[in-house]
Amino acid sequence: GDSVTQMEGPVTLSEEAFLTINCTYTATGYPSLFWYVQYPGEGLQLLLKATKADDKGSNKGFEATYRKETTSFHLEKGSVQVSDSAVYFCALSYAGNNRKLIWGLGTSLAVNP
Amino acid sequence: DAGITQSPRHKVTETGTPVTLRCHQTENHRYMYWYRQDPGHGLRLIHYSYGVKDTDKGEVSDGYSVSRSKTEDFLLTLESATSSQTSVYFCAISALTDYGYTFGSGTRLTVV
Repeated sequence: GDSVTQMEGPVTLSEEAFLTINCTYTATGYPSLFWYVQYPGEGLQLLLKATKADDKGSNKGFEATYRKETTSFHLEKGSVQVSDSAVYFCALSYAGNNRKLIWGLGTSLAVNP
Repeated sequence: DAGITQSPRHKVTETGTPVTLRCHQTENHRYMYWYRQDPGHGLRLIHYSYGVKDTDKGEVSDGYSVSRSKTEDFLLTLESATSSQTSVYFCAISALTDYGYTFGSGTRLTVV
């Protein structure tokens, strides 16, 4: 079945470091891919998305490229801030599946000053 | 930019009692979802709705029921609460034209 695998956390970085959070997926069709972020004590927020191969989603300095050949959607940011400390979730969705998302388990990021 | 509110935000209840959590949206979105979030398990889908009175089970539906009598409200009921249902519950909505979800702020439920 379809699934999403994320790198395990926690990831701990110093401020201004480069961030990569790996996400790979298995899918029978052509899903849309998402990154969500959850700040402490809050619900999840959509961070970025890509709907077809080679699309790049970007928001708030974060980027991810939909790589069909490697079935990946890695999240990157060139210079993290303390305020980026959160849990990041990768997910996929099909249009015909009642919009149900298939989730990774999340990766916790802590950024130290 | 709420658009979606959950109530209550926190609740403590006793084992064996019924509990109802409410999700209210003002976006007129067709799809609504209930998830629970637990350490080590990520997000797990409990039930979802694809229209008024149209609901279906998710992966962890045992012990839960839902109702959607109006577009804006999606109720989750724990028929007889157990300690294993202690969790944070999130509601989410999705529009017909967009695959992204908007999440509520969550309800922290403790069953003692």
